[in-house]
Amino acid sequence: AQSVTQPDIHITVSEGASLELRCNYSYGATPYLFWYVQSPGQGLQLLLKYFSGDTLVQGIKGFEAEFKRSQSSFNLRKPSVHWSDAAEYFCASTSNFGNEKLTFGTGTRLTIIP
Amino acid sequence: DSGVTQTPKHLITATGQRVTLRCSPRSGDLSVYWYQQSLDQGLQFLIHYYNGEERAKGNILERFSAQQFPDLHSELNLSSLELGDSALYFCASSVVLGLRGSGYTFGSGTRLTVV
Repeated sequence: AQSVTQPDIHITVSEGASLELRCNYSYGATPYLFWYVQSPGQGLQLLLKYFSGDTLVQGIKGFEAEFKRSQSSFNLRKPSVHWSDAAEYFCASTSNFGNEKLTFGTGTRLTIIP
Repeated sequence: DSGVTQTPKHLITATGQRVTLRCSPRSGDLSVYWYQQSLDQGLQFLIHYYNGEERAKGNILERFSAQQFPDLHSELNLSSLELGDSALYFCASSVVLGLRGSGYTFGSGTRLTVV
């Protein structure tokens, strides 16, 4: 069965510092990978997705993620965080376009300090 | 505004009761997905409908049921409610079957509190 692991429950970074949120997936073939962000009281907003091709994908709000098959990882990065980036971040995967179910990680809560 | 509308935003009800959560997908989207987000289980897929037909079931309890109507809105019915059913229930929609294109678009959720 598929699984997605986000090893960091909570991360605190200073405003302006760089950010990397970790995500590892477990699936035999190439999964389709997503990062979502959830602000308090809000739904989930898609930041970026990886289906195939270039392993470095760009998303909204200045985020990017890199797919590394050898490490089964899809880490999310941002070079300089802003206070508005404080939120919960979820990595998710599905096995193929026909599989409608997204498997989510447990999320990483990001706190930004001045 | 994501274009996916969920009502009500908040719901407080007693154990043993039945509630209905409503979801209106984005205009043109044929697929509707329901997810449950709770502190202990995280985000769990419940069920998927495409153009009125059930396509996939996840960890959905027998006390829960859903349907998608001809106008494509969907309802999630939760009955014989228990304290453990307290959670945030999300609806998401997509234009096609599967996850091509932009993936899901989520609504802002219905927070259900069972007391």
